[in-house]
Amino acid sequence: DVKVTQSSRYLVKRTGEKVFLECVQDMDHENMFWYRQDPGLGLRLIYFSYDVKMKEKGDIPEGYSVSREKKERFSLILESASTNQTSMYLCASSPGRSGANVLTFGAGSRLTVL
Amino acid sequence: AQSVTQLGSHVSVSEGALVLLRCNYSSSVPPYLFWYVQYPNQGLQLLLKYTSAATLVKGINGFEAEFKKSETSFHLTKPSAHMSDAAEYFCAVLNGYSTLTFGKGTMLLVSP
Repeated sequence: DVKVTQSSRYLVKRTGEKVFLECVQDMDHENMFWYRQDPGLGLRLIYFSYDVKMKEKGDIPEGYSVSREKKERFSLILESASTNQTSMYLCASSPGRSGANVLTFGAGSRLTVL
Repeated sequence: AQSVTQLGSHVSVSEGALVLLRCNYSSSVPPYLFWYVQYPNQGLQLLLKYTSAATLVKGINGFEAEFKKSETSFHLTKPSAHMSDAAEYFCAVLNGYSTLTFGKGTMLLVSP
């Protein structure tokens, strides 16, 4: 089975801290994604990547950056965490560039910013 | 850009009753549509997907969805709800060639 692993399930950080959320997939998928999930808002796309060292902005990239130095790893970075970034963050991956690719999700990282 | 709208943030059914979760889409091209389920404290799991083949799509756990172009709908159904079906359900549409746009989700509550 495809596995997407998010290294931290729960994090508590202080306002202004730099935060790294790590995601690793083990099936050689081309595409990786970071979504944010909030009650009543569903999932919103932050950033995605089609290849190593490539990144594309999603719908809500402000306040975030990403890094993809290796194919299997996609990191989400909060340069200076703020309380409005308290949320559940979901990483996903999918193979190739054809349509109807199925996204496989990690279990999520719940971030609280105090 | 493509979008989906899920009608009802919460749906309550009794165990054994029909489950109907509604999703309408907006798309300028023939859409690829998905239903995902999220159990508590877990990531999202694919239930089923529509990719312009058969309009009635069968998924896991007894769920199915019917693509109706005339109604721009892709509603999810299950004939008989189980307690284990209690979860949040998300409809999504393929946007671009690999990104998904999700609806806001519908929480399914199942009572004994």
